[in-house]
Amino acid sequence: DTEVTQTPKHLVMGMTNKKSLKCEQHMGHRAMYWYKQKAKKPPELMFVYSYEKLSINESVPSRFSPECPNSSLLNLHLHALQPEDSALYLCASSQGPGLAGTGELFFGEGSRLTVL
Amino acid sequence: QKEVEQDPGPLSVPEGAIVSLNCTYSNSAFQYFMWYRQYSRKGPELLMYTYSSGNKEDGRFTAQVDKSSKYISLFIRDSQPSDSATYLCAMTLSNYGQNFVFGPGTRLSVLP
Repeated sequence: DTEVTQTPKHLVMGMTNKKSLKCEQHMGHRAMYWYKQKAKKPPELMFVYSYEKLSINESVPSRFSPECPNSSLLNLHLHALQPEDSALYLCASSQGPGLAGTGELFFGEGSRLTVL
Repeated sequence: QKEVEQDPGPLSVPEGAIVSLNCTYSNSAFQYFMWYRQYSRKGPELLMYTYSSGNKEDGRFTAQVDKSSKYISLFIRDSQPSDSATYLCAMTLSNYGQNFVFGPGTRLSVLP
């Protein structure tokens, strides 16, 4: 079973709603990621946090707002989304710089978002 | 030219067949290579993680990296209907790399 846990598994929201996606890992990883995946496409990187600091922002619209409260948690706050934002949102983690071990990227099961 | 190329399939094989899935890439600096299996509407599951060139075996799965040809492969022996999924290759420059580059994925269907 994946050790990256995402909630909720499914989310339906209107264009004026505010909602959040949550992610948790307990592998001691210090790099955490948000990816967006559309049907029949590979995951597309949105944000990377390294040691709780935002290290990569792939020019994502401001209606997506990431937050990393501590080394185990990652949130994605959603506001004023568009129907084209409907997708599978994947959280992932990897060991991060400066740690011993190998650098695999582990994904959660994803949160399927539908914007009406 | 895309950074990582992969035949999208679909690839259909009979149960018990040996499956060969492949990716080619353009950046010779990639050092770490991964294969993921993704079932429909689920997150990608890491199958294999390899460093540099060579082979790695895990059960029915063998990952092969040929850096001189910039070519990686995943072999599945004794394929099962439960192996029907999309297979994604991914690669990165370093052991703590945060820029993982994915192939587009190959859809595999194993027929009973």
